[in-house]
Amino acid sequence: QVQLVQSGAEVKKPGASVRVSCKVSGDTLTKISLHWVRQAPGKGPEWLGSYDPEDGKTTDTQKFQGRVTLTEDTSTNTAYMGLSSLRSDDTAIYYCATASLGAVAYYGMDVWGQGTTVSVS
Amino acid sequence: SYVLTQAPSVSVAPGKTASLACAGDQIGGKTVNWYQQKPGQAPLLVIYYDSDRPSEIPERFSGSNSGNTATLTINGVEAGDEADYYCQIWDRTTDLVVFGGGTKLTVL
Repeated sequence: QVQLVQSGAEVKKPGASVRVSCKVSGDTLTKISLHWVRQAPGKGPEWLGSYDPEDGKTTDTQKFQGRVTLTEDTSTNTAYMGLSSLRSDDTAIYYCATASLGAVAYYGMDVWGQGTTVSVS
Repeated sequence: SYVLTQAPSVSVAPGKTASLACAGDQIGGKTVNWYQQKPGQAPLLVIYYDSDRPSEIPERFSGSNSGNTATLTINGVEAGDEADYYCQIWDRTTDLVVFGGGTKLTVL
């Protein structure tokens, strides 16, 4: 069973950057697709992007204006999500999640990290 | 970009049936996943591939998808079903994942 463990809470000032980590156990990063989703207070989930070992990386460039960077360290089985030029409306809980059963289109995200709170103020 | 529209709230009495709709342009041609989220918790997948259930999800949860509306149905609603519910698709045109705005289910 895949498990995802994320890094701790972050407090940042406007204009700064943040990097959230997601350590994978129970499988290898080279075999699973990993998605990044955020949720602002009182709002619904918002997809930022994903890494797939076959299809590569996809981010919602238009919505986030190219501010999202996804990286992977296969030696430590850890994925990273970076967000630059932070604004107050980037304050949210950031989740990593995986579709362990197959493509997210068909099987959804069935394993989630515990979430990382990023506060921009 | 593709938009999924959900009613902000639905209320239902215990033991009754809740139907939560997710509207989108020709959504019947896509596959829909549904998530339940309780306060302070990460989303939990309750329906995938329109109507399939993860093994740990009760049979009371079912899904359907046709035309411009996908529906999550919860039979015999229990107090523990009170939560926010979100639909989600993958938009093949843009290669982006899209979530609906969510429906808050209140059990009276």
